[in-house]
Amino acid sequence: DGGITQSPKYLFRKEGQNVTLSCEQNLNHDAMYWYRQDPGQGLRLIYYSQIVNDFQKGDIAEGYSVSREKKESFPLTVTSAQKNPTAFYLCASSTQGAGNTIYFGEGSWLTVV
Amino acid sequence: ELKVEQNPLFLSMQEGKNYTIYCNYSTTSDRLYWYRQDPGKSLESLFVLLSNGAVKQEGRLMASLDTKARLSTLHITAAVHDLSATYFCASQAGGADGLTFGKGTHLIIQP
Repeated sequence: DGGITQSPKYLFRKEGQNVTLSCEQNLNHDAMYWYRQDPGQGLRLIYYSQIVNDFQKGDIAEGYSVSREKKESFPLTVTSAQKNPTAFYLCASSTQGAGNTIYFGEGSWLTVV
Repeated sequence: ELKVEQNPLFLSMQEGKNYTIYCNYSTTSDRLYWYRQDPGKSLESLFVLLSNGAVKQEGRLMASLDTKARLSTLHITAAVHDLSATYFCASQAGGADGLTFGKGTHLIIQP
């Protein structure tokens, strides 16, 4: 089935650790995105990539890093510099044409312990 | 900087009633999106609105876009309990830029 796969679904991180969230899509989409959602809040853009080997910072990129070595994959690393990482992380992808729908993965819950 | 404001942020209504959620955005935008989110779940795409005057309907939900007023609405007709969820609007400045989301409208529909 075509779609966006995020893993792991649940992740616990100790303070000072880096963790990487995986996002894979088999929709042949050029653009991929990472968002963060805090409880009861909207989504905020962390990073996005419009093409392989290129990505741009979103509104809250500090403490995060990404790579886009393959079209299908856009992993997000939450570094120790991110002081409040506990949140729900959503990956999304889309084509770049007009009228494109942006599809979301099932999300990853990250908790700092 | 693109900003998106939704209102109301919380809405409790009875089954069978009609209501409208409003979404204002601050700058010229290519397109407007509506999503639904159930508790603990991801976002489900409802509508993508591309041009001034666009109107789309799916079941009891109808979305419209007025680019001159920078306003989109999501109208609920004869609400049913299954429509209880959080509804987000989001705007995209252009191309494959990221979406800017409103804070969401938490909708509870009571029997």
